[in-house]
Amino acid sequence: SQTIHQWPATLVQPVGSPLSLECTVEGTSNPNLYWYRQAAGRGLQLLFYSVGIGQISSEVPQNLSASRPQDRQFILSSKKLLLSDSGFYLCAWSRGTPIRGTEAFFGQGTRLTVV
Amino acid sequence: DAKTTQPTSMDCAEGRAANLPCNHSTISGNEYVYWYRQIHSQGPQYIIHGLKNNETNEMASLIITEDRKSSTLILPHATLRDTAVYYCIAIHNAGNMLTFGGGTRLMVKP
Repeated sequence: SQTIHQWPATLVQPVGSPLSLECTVEGTSNPNLYWYRQAAGRGLQLLFYSVGIGQISSEVPQNLSASRPQDRQFILSSKKLLLSDSGFYLCAWSRGTPIRGTEAFFGQGTRLTVV
Repeated sequence: DAKTTQPTSMDCAEGRAANLPCNHSTISGNEYVYWYRQIHSQGPQYIIHGLKNNETNEMASLIITEDRKSSTLILPHATLRDTAVYYCIAIHNAGNMLTFGGGTRLMVKP
């Protein structure tokens, strides 16, 4: 069966510090991978998605970046965190294209607080 | 992907059916309608999806109008654990992205 792991569950970081959040998927190959952010009391905002190794599409310009060094590994990074980067970060995967009639599976999320 | 419109919030009595509407008037013929829900502080959970026909699974039923411009998610016997934000999404069958709107905050009350 497929599983998605996301860590850490919670993180408190000072402004200006770097960030690295990791997400890995097991039990499947060539998944579509996604990073979402949810600010407090807000909806889900798509940040990045990837259809393959080294292929990253950005939906929102910001000081965050994403990388996919391996087929089932997706990393969200920042060189210098801002207060506005605080939020609930979610990683998700779905089967490779086309995604016809398929569902997405979400990790448990990382709650990031920038202080 | 088509834009979807949902009410911001709804209440439902425990044990009664919860009917959550979604408008997707610009949906194209090859866009699926998906429903997810997000319980507080958790990742979204897939519920059901459909293209033209009504669908039913162990969690819910999805009723899609004949013109496909709207749909209704039905939780037949809502429980307190169904309290969550419910998202309706229209996705092209060759699309790579999942984009979520504001969703409907369903409050199931005893």
